[in-house]
Amino acid sequence: SQQGEEDPQALSIQEGENATMNCSYKTSINNLQWYRQNSGRGLVHLILIRSNEREKHSGRLRVTLDTSKKSSSLLITASRAADTASYFCATAGAGTALIFGKGTTLSVSS
Amino acid sequence: DSGVTQTPKHLITATGQRVTLRCSPRSGDLSVYWYQQSLDQGLQFLIQYYNGEERAKGNILERFSAQQFPDLHSELNLSSLELGDSALYFCASSVEDRVTQYFGPGTRLTVL
Repeated sequence: SQQGEEDPQALSIQEGENATMNCSYKTSINNLQWYRQNSGRGLVHLILIRSNEREKHSGRLRVTLDTSKKSSSLLITASRAADTASYFCATAGAGTALIFGKGTTLSVSS
Repeated sequence: DSGVTQTPKHLITATGQRVTLRCSPRSGDLSVYWYQQSLDQGLQFLIQYYNGEERAKGNILERFSAQQFPDLHSELNLSSLELGDSALYFCASSVEDRVTQYFGPGTRLTVL
């Protein structure tokens, strides 16, 4: 079962624009992570935000977390063609296993 | 490169057959996770091993089993394969029980 649900399902932008994708989850969390997946490849960890944090930055990435709304957003600034990928939010399930949403597919055209 | 290796990259087999997928975690990582990714189900957690012991189970079918060996590599065994088992199977590893996981490149299984 999905814990996180990303929105939108697909996003197309031009290089240089910002991309924002959102994630909603159902139960209380200790932290939330974002991963990127290039087509058919393994997932790459991008950033982790803890439940007591509201915002976190990593390079061109900005993640926010609103535990009262059970939602998170990932902002990619000044997008590049290389950012074209699927982005997933993930929360902890059984043990430390991850529960992923269905992902947002981002397409950045030059 | 995450440091997690998976073999084989691709596997094509027939219904009813049995296959074994192999995963070598990053050096020093004790936890290994298996995930299945399909178009209809998305990314689903199957099973986790920690230092040779089963730690957590997810949506793993009874036809599937896994183990982690003393050298920490892991194998996922899929038997009595069905068409619906066609998917990408990922292995991930982490340091102890840390939440950040490092994913391998996956094994694409096609059941014909």
